[in-house]
Amino acid sequence: AQSVSQHNHHVILSEAASLELGCNYSYGGTVNLFWYVQYPGQHLQLLLKYFSGDPLVKGIKGFEAEFIKSKFSFNLRKPSVQWSDTAEYFCAVNSPNQGGKLIFGQGTELSVKP
Amino acid sequence: EPEVTQTPSHQVTQMGQEVILRCVPISNHLYFYWYRQILGQKVEFLVSFYNNEISEKSEIFDDQFSVERPDGSNFTLKIRSTKLEDSAMYFCASSGSMGGNNEQFFGPGTRLTVL
Repeated sequence: AQSVSQHNHHVILSEAASLELGCNYSYGGTVNLFWYVQYPGQHLQLLLKYFSGDPLVKGIKGFEAEFIKSKFSFNLRKPSVQWSDTAEYFCAVNSPNQGGKLIFGQGTELSVKP
Repeated sequence: EPEVTQTPSHQVTQMGQEVILRCVPISNHLYFYWYRQILGQKVEFLVSFYNNEISEKSEIFDDQFSVERPDGSNFTLKIRSTKLEDSAMYFCASSGSMGGNNEQFFGPGTRLTVL
């Protein structure tokens, strides 16, 4: 069965610090990978996604993620965080040829101090 | 920008009562999903729905749960007899097409509290 692990439960950074949030998945076949963000009081929004091709994916708001197949990882990065990046971040996977069901990690809460 | 909406934002109910959570998906989307997140736990898939029938459901989605698209705009999740462990945030999502290679757009969620 598919599963997703996010290693960091809560990350606290100062503005301008670099960010890397870990995501590992468990699945033997081809996967699609997603990062969603949930700002306080708002709904889940897609940050970026990987289906195929270049394993380095650029998303909105300066975020990027790298798919490393050998490590079953899809870590999220941002070189310089802002206070407005304070949110909860969710990694998710699904299978390309199946029904679209998303399997989520447990989420990482990011707090950015001004 | 079109978005998924959900009502109510917070529902409090007594154990054993029926609740209906409502969602209005993006208007031209055809595929609909319900997920839930128990406090402190992962977002979990419940069910997917297309062409007026369930496409896939999880083990969580037992006989107490049902989904319906009663008209051209609403998509509802009904819990027939709520239990304490049904307390969670319930998210509706929709996408323009089925399959993994499609973005799902999420609603803001309904927080269900069962007393």
